[in-house]
Amino acid sequence: DAGVIQSPRHEVTEMGQEVTLRCKPISGHDYLFWYRQTMMRGLELLIYFNNNVPIDDSGMPEDRFSAKMPNASFSTLKIQPSEPRDSAVYFCASSRDTYEQYFGPGTRLTVT
Amino acid sequence: QQPVQSPQAVILREGEDAVINCSSSKALYSVHWYRQKHGEAPVFLMILLKGGEQKGHDKISASFNEKKQQSSLYLTASQLSYSGTYFCGSSGGSYIPTFGRGTSLIVHP
Repeated sequence: DAGVIQSPRHEVTEMGQEVTLRCKPISGHDYLFWYRQTMMRGLELLIYFNNNVPIDDSGMPEDRFSAKMPNASFSTLKIQPSEPRDSAVYFCASSRDTYEQYFGPGTRLTVT
Repeated sequence: QQPVQSPQAVILREGEDAVINCSSSKALYSVHWYRQKHGEAPVFLMILLKGGEQKGHDKISASFNEKKQQSSLYLTASQLSYSGTYFCGSSGGSYIPTFGRGTSLIVHP
């Protein structure tokens, strides 16, 4: 299996622009997680899905953030409008159960 | 609430041992350990479930004391490849981890 796939790997955008991050989980995995990693706050869980249904979005920082999972093989995390403090590495992870998560390579987002 | 990891950083020479501690203020159902090398994604090492069972992964093992709400990761005879940041994740009944801030481990030749 190719592992978790994320795109783009790097994104540089200006403040106020919409940003869409994409994730393809490992086939057969029922759980999908979105994380944000910064030096200040570490690795934070933003939202997770089970069988395409959002289960817990309490980590989503603001209404500017939204996530969808239209089918078992695709998820998006959208930030609209983006702000400089959103700059971080965003990871998507998937798992068959909740025990062992497989992380994607991450998207490094820079908002200027 | 994030678990607290200690120490924040460890510097070792090859062959030396290290212990990384993780403690939670909330009751734990499981503890998850991951390692992240610089510029890469976190990689799963092991999970410990309620029961205090000690797990092993090559020369890396861990213990879980649910009464004390603590876990420790033991790295024996460190290798250069052990360098990275180690994260513990604590969880309740959902087994979804909340990660600590990480412990940076540097192994020198």
